[in-house]
Amino acid sequence: QKEVEQDPGPLSVPEGAIVSLNCTYSNSAFQYFMWYRQYSRKGPELLMYTYSSGNKEDGRFTAQVDKSSKYISLFIRDSQPSDSATYLCAMGAGANNLFFGTGTRLTVIP
Amino acid sequence: DADVTQTPRNRITKTGKRIMLECSQTKGHDRMYWYRQDPGLGLRLIYYSFDVKDINKGEISDGYSVSRQAQAKFSLSLESAIPNQTALYFCATSDGGQGTDTQYFGPGTRLTVL
Repeated sequence: QKEVEQDPGPLSVPEGAIVSLNCTYSNSAFQYFMWYRQYSRKGPELLMYTYSSGNKEDGRFTAQVDKSSKYISLFIRDSQPSDSATYLCAMGAGANNLFFGTGTRLTVIP
Repeated sequence: DADVTQTPRNRITKTGKRIMLECSQTKGHDRMYWYRQDPGLGLRLIYYSFDVKDINKGEISDGYSVSRQAQAKFSLSLESAIPNQTALYFCATSDGGQGTDTQYFGPGTRLTVL
């Protein structure tokens, strides 16, 4: 079983839709959780960072962590064509290495 | 200027050739990483270094070697390239402070081995 599982999509939504991206994980030691956004032919860039359980909001983006279910989500409200990218979840414990999901490719159609 | 730079950005080479990919950073981070990205497999860690004197193997180190020339420089070598090493390679850095390991990525090197 992989440490981190992520549905690869692809996911296609109309502009203005609410997008939900999800990852599950198996290691209960994970304490910090991140979402990276990767545009085509670019390196991943950090989008959201969350420590432990709970929600974190930044503009149109909300990251949610449910440690009891080992499940994390990223919600995008009022999605825009510029949100079209691959979204990777990542997580880790302490100061050790990160474990990445395989990424979900999102396309927002104007 | 970009905080994490990689050279070359694209490289086509032949089977059996030795290739070096270079990474430089101006973030002042101690930790540096090399990943490869393949469709459907995500990012896989090749090697990582927590400081100049520290080198560690990652998930898929076979066929690769690294050199940490300075805090700011971390090179990845393919001693004898083979076609299944065709992939997108990323360098990343982190400061590893305060219990976090937020990583910052370079723009990537697209390597094709014929």
